[in-house]
Amino acid sequence: SAVISQKPSRDICQRGTSLTIQCQVDSQVTMMFWYRQQPGQSLTLIATANQGSEATYESGFVIDKFPISRPNLTFSTLTVSNMSPEDSSIYLCSVVNTGELFFGEGSRLTVL
Amino acid sequence: QKEVEQNSGPLSVPEGAIASLNCTYSDRVSQSFFWYRQYSGKSPELIMSIYSNGDKEDGRFTAQLNKASQYVSLLIRDSQPSDSATYLCAVSHVVGQFYFGTGTSLTVIP
Repeated sequence: SAVISQKPSRDICQRGTSLTIQCQVDSQVTMMFWYRQQPGQSLTLIATANQGSEATYESGFVIDKFPISRPNLTFSTLTVSNMSPEDSSIYLCSVVNTGELFFGEGSRLTVL
Repeated sequence: QKEVEQNSGPLSVPEGAIASLNCTYSDRVSQSFFWYRQYSGKSPELIMSIYSNGDKEDGRFTAQLNKASQYVSLLIRDSQPSDSATYLCAVSHVVGQFYFGTGTSLTVIP
């Protein structure tokens, strides 16, 4: 399995600010995704991070709110923009390796 | 209809017993099936993958797949308190697309 590092692991943010989460993988991967897990809920796919092109967003998620970069096959960032308390969640980077999906440790954001 | 359905639980079993976790899925063309374990405050960890009908064993874990019934289960033998977690079922029918259930909370009572 791939080793996936995310940072920050947790943060407390003020309403209206933005935060960028970084995801670094120890090997080149074709498929990389960003998920959100709200308290007590299951996983919701935010977008597929495409290398060298715009991310593909799921219904309910837009680029202005969750801009994503993926400059190469080992790195991606997710920005949560203009945060509100409803954005308090765990944000998870994930990659596909040999057909299986693996997750980073997650970034727990609390918005006050 | 949800793609993947699981009983949310909580499921409680005594230490040493067999825990049985169940999952049904709606899309008959699904090809790949996964079980994840998620401890509170942690990210999901892949514990089992299964691709063909029948049983697949890995240590104390056995995954069972029945494509005709669109049913996949996870058995945990000799349950330990450290098995207490939420177990997520996931299904994939296209490479790169994964559908997750809402998870079943398992508590193993010492």
